[in-house]
Amino acid sequence: EIVLTQSPSTLSLSPGERATLSCRASRSLSSQYLAWYQQKVGQPHTLLIYDTSKRATGIPDRFSGTGSGTDFTLTIARLEPEDFAVYYCQQYDTSPLTFGGGAKVEIK
Amino acid sequence: EVRLVESGGRVVLPGGSLRLSCAASGFTFDDYTMHWVRQVPGKGLEWVSHISWNGNSAYYADSVKGRFTVSRDNSNNSVFLQMDSLKSDDTAVYFCARSLLAPAYLDFWGQGTLVTVSS
Repeated sequence: EIVLTQSPSTLSLSPGERATLSCRASRSLSSQYLAWYQQKVGQPHTLLIYDTSKRATGIPDRFSGTGSGTDFTLTIARLEPEDFAVYYCQQYDTSPLTFGGGAKVEIK
Repeated sequence: EVRLVESGGRVVLPGGSLRLSCAASGFTFDDYTMHWVRQVPGKGLEWVSHISWNGNSAYYADSVKGRFTVSRDNSNNSVFLQMDSLKSDDTAVYFCARSLLAPAYLDFWGQGTLVTVSS
Protein backbone atom coordinates (compact mmCIF):
# COMPACT_ATOMS: atom_id res chain seq x y z
CA GLU A 1 0.00 0.00 0.00
CA ILE A 2 1.04 3.60 -0.49
CA VAL A 3 2.23 5.29 2.69
CA LEU A 4 1.63 9.03 3.00
CA THR A 5 3.86 11.09 5.28
CA GLN A 6 2.73 14.56 6.31
CA SER A 7 5.04 17.27 7.55
CA PRO A 8 5.25 19.13 9.76
CA SER A 9 2.96 17.37 12.20
CA THR A 10 2.19 20.69 13.90
CA LEU A 11 2.33 24.19 12.47
CA SER A 12 2.06 27.18 14.85
CA LEU A 13 0.97 30.30 13.00
CA SER A 14 -0.98 33.52 13.50
CA PRO A 15 -4.17 34.54 11.69
CA GLY A 16 -3.31 36.15 8.38
CA GLU A 17 -0.17 34.08 7.89
CA ARG A 18 0.41 31.54 5.13
CA ALA A 19 0.32 27.82 5.93
CA THR A 20 2.15 25.26 3.83
CA LEU A 21 1.48 21.60 4.53
CA SER A 22 3.39 18.80 2.85
CA CYS A 23 2.33 15.27 1.95
CA ARG A 24 4.86 12.82 0.56
CA ALA A 25 3.88 9.47 -0.97
CA SER A 26 5.99 6.31 -0.75
CA ARG A 27 5.63 5.89 -4.49
CA SER A 28 4.46 8.05 -7.34
CA LEU A 29 0.76 8.81 -7.73
CA SER A 30 0.60 8.38 -11.47
CA SER A 31 -2.85 9.90 -11.79
CA GLN A 32 -2.25 12.58 -9.13
CA TYR A 33 -5.24 11.29 -7.24
CA LEU A 34 -4.67 13.08 -3.97
CA ALA A 35 -7.19 14.79 -1.71
CA TRP A 36 -7.02 17.00 1.37
CA TYR A 37 -9.49 17.09 4.26
CA GLN A 38 -10.03 19.36 7.23
CA GLN A 39 -11.09 17.99 10.60
CA LYS A 40 -12.42 20.14 13.42
CA VAL A 41 -13.43 18.80 16.81
CA GLY A 42 -17.03 17.66 16.81
CA GLN A 43 -17.50 18.18 13.08
CA PRO A 44 -17.42 15.82 10.08
CA HIS A 45 -14.32 15.80 7.93
CA THR A 46 -14.61 18.33 5.13
CA LEU A 47 -13.23 17.67 1.66
CA LEU A 48 -11.08 20.65 0.64
CA ILE A 49 -9.12 19.56 -2.44
CA TYR A 50 -9.33 16.59 -4.82
CA ASP A 51 -7.33 15.52 -7.87
CA THR A 52 -4.35 17.37 -6.30
CA SER A 53 -5.57 20.88 -7.11
CA LYS A 54 -9.34 21.06 -7.57
CA ARG A 55 -11.25 22.87 -4.84
CA ALA A 56 -14.36 21.14 -3.56
CA THR A 57 -17.69 22.90 -3.69
CA GLY A 58 -17.87 25.87 -1.35
CA ILE A 59 -14.19 25.86 -0.38
CA PRO A 60 -12.68 29.37 -0.31
CA ASP A 61 -9.94 30.20 -2.80
CA ARG A 62 -7.40 30.79 -0.02
CA PHE A 63 -7.05 26.98 -0.06
CA SER A 64 -4.95 25.60 -2.90
CA GLY A 65 -3.30 22.30 -3.74
CA THR A 66 -0.28 21.56 -5.87
CA GLY A 67 2.08 18.71 -6.56
CA SER A 68 2.92 15.72 -8.65
CA GLY A 69 4.66 12.38 -8.40
CA THR A 70 5.38 11.85 -4.72
CA ASP A 71 5.26 15.41 -3.36
CA PHE A 72 2.07 17.34 -2.71
CA THR A 73 1.29 20.56 -0.90
CA LEU A 74 -1.76 22.21 0.62
CA THR A 75 -1.41 25.97 0.98
CA ILE A 76 -3.69 28.22 2.98
CA ALA A 77 -2.90 31.70 1.70
CA ARG A 78 -4.07 33.74 4.70
CA LEU A 79 -5.20 31.89 7.77
CA GLU A 80 -8.64 32.74 9.06
CA PRO A 81 -9.62 31.87 12.66
CA GLU A 82 -11.80 29.00 11.41
CA ASP A 83 -8.83 27.40 9.58
CA PHE A 84 -7.10 26.25 12.77
CA ALA A 85 -7.75 22.53 12.57
CA VAL A 86 -6.18 19.22 11.60
CA TYR A 87 -5.55 18.45 7.94
CA TYR A 88 -5.20 15.04 6.29
CA CYS A 89 -4.06 14.04 2.84
CA GLN A 90 -5.44 10.91 1.18
CA GLN A 91 -4.45 9.04 -1.96
CA TYR A 92 -6.89 7.20 -4.19
CA ASP A 93 -4.43 6.39 -6.93
CA THR A 94 -4.14 2.79 -5.77
CA SER A 95 -6.24 0.60 -3.53
CA PRO A 96 -6.43 0.55 -0.58
CA LEU A 97 -7.18 4.17 0.15
CA THR A 98 -4.59 5.51 2.54
CA PHE A 99 -4.30 8.67 4.61
CA GLY A 100 -1.47 10.71 5.95
CA GLY A 101 -0.96 10.96 9.69
CA GLY A 102 -2.39 14.47 9.87
CA ALA A 103 -1.04 17.96 10.43
CA LYS A 104 -2.36 20.28 13.11
CA VAL A 105 -2.45 23.99 12.35
CA GLU A 106 -2.58 25.74 15.72
CA ILE A 107 -2.72 29.35 16.80
CA LYS A 108 0.68 30.75 17.74
CA GLU B 1 -28.99 18.89 2.87
CA VAL B 2 -26.69 15.87 2.71
CA ARG B 3 -26.60 13.95 5.97
CA LEU B 4 -24.81 10.78 7.08
CA VAL B 5 -25.62 9.68 10.60
CA GLU B 6 -23.80 6.74 12.16
CA SER B 7 -25.12 4.75 15.08
CA GLY B 8 -24.50 1.54 16.98
CA GLY B 9 -21.20 2.25 18.63
CA ARG B 10 -20.78 1.10 22.23
CA VAL B 11 -18.48 -0.78 24.60
CA VAL B 12 -18.09 -4.44 23.64
CA LEU B 13 -15.98 -7.30 24.99
CA PRO B 14 -13.03 -8.69 23.02
CA GLY B 15 -14.30 -11.46 20.74
CA GLY B 16 -17.72 -9.87 20.63
CA SER B 17 -19.79 -8.55 17.74
CA LEU B 18 -21.35 -5.23 16.85
CA ARG B 19 -23.37 -3.86 13.95
CA LEU B 20 -22.94 -0.25 12.94
CA SER B 21 -25.48 1.61 10.84
CA CYS B 22 -25.25 4.73 8.73
CA ALA B 23 -28.44 6.49 7.67
CA ALA B 24 -28.15 8.68 4.59
CA SER B 25 -30.39 11.50 3.43
CA GLY B 26 -30.36 14.49 1.12
CA PHE B 27 -28.93 12.74 -1.93
CA THR B 28 -29.58 9.85 -4.33
CA PHE B 29 -28.13 7.09 -2.18
CA ASP B 30 -27.74 4.44 -4.87
CA ASP B 31 -25.60 6.75 -6.99
CA TYR B 32 -22.79 6.40 -4.47
CA THR B 33 -20.21 3.95 -3.23
CA MET B 34 -20.22 3.96 0.57
CA HIS B 35 -17.18 3.66 2.79
CA TRP B 36 -16.31 3.02 6.41
CA VAL B 37 -13.22 4.76 7.76
CA ARG B 38 -12.00 4.57 11.35
CA GLN B 39 -9.88 6.75 13.58
CA VAL B 40 -8.33 5.88 16.90
CA PRO B 41 -9.00 8.98 19.06
CA GLY B 42 -6.10 11.38 18.65
CA LYS B 43 -4.59 9.33 15.83
CA GLY B 44 -4.81 9.08 12.04
CA LEU B 45 -7.43 7.70 9.67
CA GLU B 46 -7.69 4.13 8.36
CA TRP B 47 -9.94 3.08 5.51
CA VAL B 48 -11.88 -0.03 6.57
CA SER B 49 -14.25 -1.05 3.78
CA HIS B 50 -16.36 0.07 0.88
CA ILE B 51 -19.40 -1.26 -0.93
CA SER B 52 -20.46 -0.48 -4.49
CA TRP B 53 -23.64 1.40 -5.31
CA ASN B 54 -25.62 -1.81 -5.88
CA GLY B 55 -24.01 -3.86 -3.13
CA ASN B 56 -22.47 -6.32 -5.59
CA SER B 57 -18.88 -5.53 -4.69
CA ALA B 58 -17.27 -5.04 -1.31
CA TYR B 59 -13.67 -4.50 -0.32
CA TYR B 60 -11.89 -4.60 3.01
CA ALA B 61 -8.66 -3.54 4.64
CA ASP B 62 -6.41 -6.49 5.45
CA SER B 63 -6.76 -5.64 9.15
CA VAL B 64 -10.49 -6.48 9.13
CA LYS B 65 -10.82 -8.97 6.27
CA GLY B 66 -12.70 -12.07 7.36
CA ARG B 67 -14.08 -10.37 10.48
CA PHE B 68 -16.08 -7.39 9.15
CA THR B 69 -18.89 -7.44 6.58
CA VAL B 70 -20.30 -4.38 4.86
CA SER B 71 -23.82 -4.30 3.41
CA ARG B 72 -26.36 -1.75 2.26
CA ASP B 73 -30.11 -1.34 1.93
CA ASN B 74 -30.84 1.06 -0.90
CA SER B 75 -34.56 1.01 -0.20
CA ASN B 76 -33.86 2.52 3.22
CA ASN B 77 -30.79 4.58 2.32
CA SER B 78 -28.60 2.81 4.82
CA VAL B 79 -25.23 1.12 4.99
CA PHE B 80 -24.09 -1.28 7.68
CA LEU B 81 -20.89 -2.70 9.09
CA GLN B 82 -21.11 -6.05 10.85
CA MET B 83 -18.08 -6.41 13.08
CA ASP B 84 -17.25 -9.85 14.47
CA SER B 85 -14.35 -11.24 16.50
CA LEU B 86 -13.59 -7.77 17.75
CA LYS B 87 -10.15 -6.96 19.09
CA SER B 88 -8.86 -4.11 21.25
CA ASP B 89 -7.15 -2.75 18.10
CA ASP B 90 -10.61 -2.16 16.63
CA THR B 91 -11.31 0.54 19.21
CA ALA B 92 -11.91 3.70 17.20
CA VAL B 93 -14.45 6.19 15.96
CA TYR B 94 -16.07 4.75 12.84
CA PHE B 95 -17.15 7.14 10.09
CA CYS B 96 -19.24 6.44 7.06
CA ALA B 97 -18.50 8.46 3.94
CA ARG B 98 -19.52 8.50 0.30
CA SER B 99 -17.78 8.65 -3.05
CA LEU B 100 -18.99 8.57 -6.63
CA LEU B 101 -16.39 6.00 -7.64
CA ALA B 102 -13.87 3.73 -5.96
CA PRO B 103 -11.10 4.22 -5.28
CA ALA B 104 -11.92 7.90 -4.95
CA TYR B 105 -11.98 10.88 -2.70
CA LEU B 106 -14.69 11.00 -0.04
CA ASP B 107 -16.83 14.04 -0.61
CA PHE B 108 -19.04 13.82 2.45
CA TRP B 109 -18.56 12.23 5.89
CA GLY B 110 -20.67 11.52 8.90
CA GLN B 111 -19.71 12.56 12.43
CA GLY B 112 -18.83 9.05 13.51
CA THR B 113 -19.74 6.56 16.23
CA LEU B 114 -17.34 5.34 18.92
CA VAL B 115 -16.60 1.64 19.27
CA THR B 116 -14.67 0.59 22.36
CA VAL B 117 -13.44 -3.00 22.63
CA SER B 118 -12.49 -3.63 26.22
CA SER B 119 -12.96 -6.11 29.01
